[in-house]
Amino acid sequence: DAGVTQSPTHLIKTRGQQVTLRCSPKSGHDTVSWYQQALGQGPQFIFQYYEEEERQRGNFPDRFSGHQFPNYSSELNVNALLLGDSALYLCASSPDRGPDTQYFGPGTRLTVL
Amino acid sequence: AQKITQTQPGMFVQEKEAVTLDCTYDTSDQSYGLFWYKQPSSGEMIFLIYQGSYDEQNATEGRYSLNFQKARKSANLVISASQLGDSAMYFCAMRERQNNAGNMLTFGGGTRLMVKP
Repeated sequence: DAGVTQSPTHLIKTRGQQVTLRCSPKSGHDTVSWYQQALGQGPQFIFQYYEEEERQRGNFPDRFSGHQFPNYSSELNVNALLLGDSALYLCASSPDRGPDTQYFGPGTRLTVL
Repeated sequence: AQKITQTQPGMFVQEKEAVTLDCTYDTSDQSYGLFWYKQPSSGEMIFLIYQGSYDEQNATEGRYSLNFQKARKSANLVISASQLGDSAMYFCAMRERQNNAGNMLTFGGGTRLMVKP
């Protein structure tokens, strides 16, 4: 049973560029959430997708956008990158019904130079 | 106000001893869930244990147990018989179900646990 997968593992970008991160949920899960974890801090919720729509959003600017595909996989897009966007980006999946424990992927480490 | 507070930035424990990691939370919801995750240096968040606000019994999962004191709004993680592989960051998180829309998690700042041989 494959767990949550994310790609790429690491990414280096420069200020002003755009980036796309990808996530495939755990088998049987239809809800995908994205979190940003700055160094030395706890993860911060960015947004959650369910049925291909953004269902919930945290306190992040609209430079952060996402998408969910019919197979439940998801993308996180960040435009106009800032140095402060350097972080570990974690994707988590959960089922919409039943126990809603979120299971996390290994993360994508983004460095903005 | 912080929704999840973990007051211990770092802790040491001797191998084979038990350790308690503290977590207090703040919510006005009646229905909520509390989670503990372990994050090794590799970065992946590993789910450890869950406690629902209506659960009357404290949750247990192997060597992990959750000391849930609802009136005090605390949800401490107890790890028994510590092992060297338990060295990691530990995060407490809460899921509030406001308007039944989504299940976002709010995390605390984490506690770094170091197990000494």
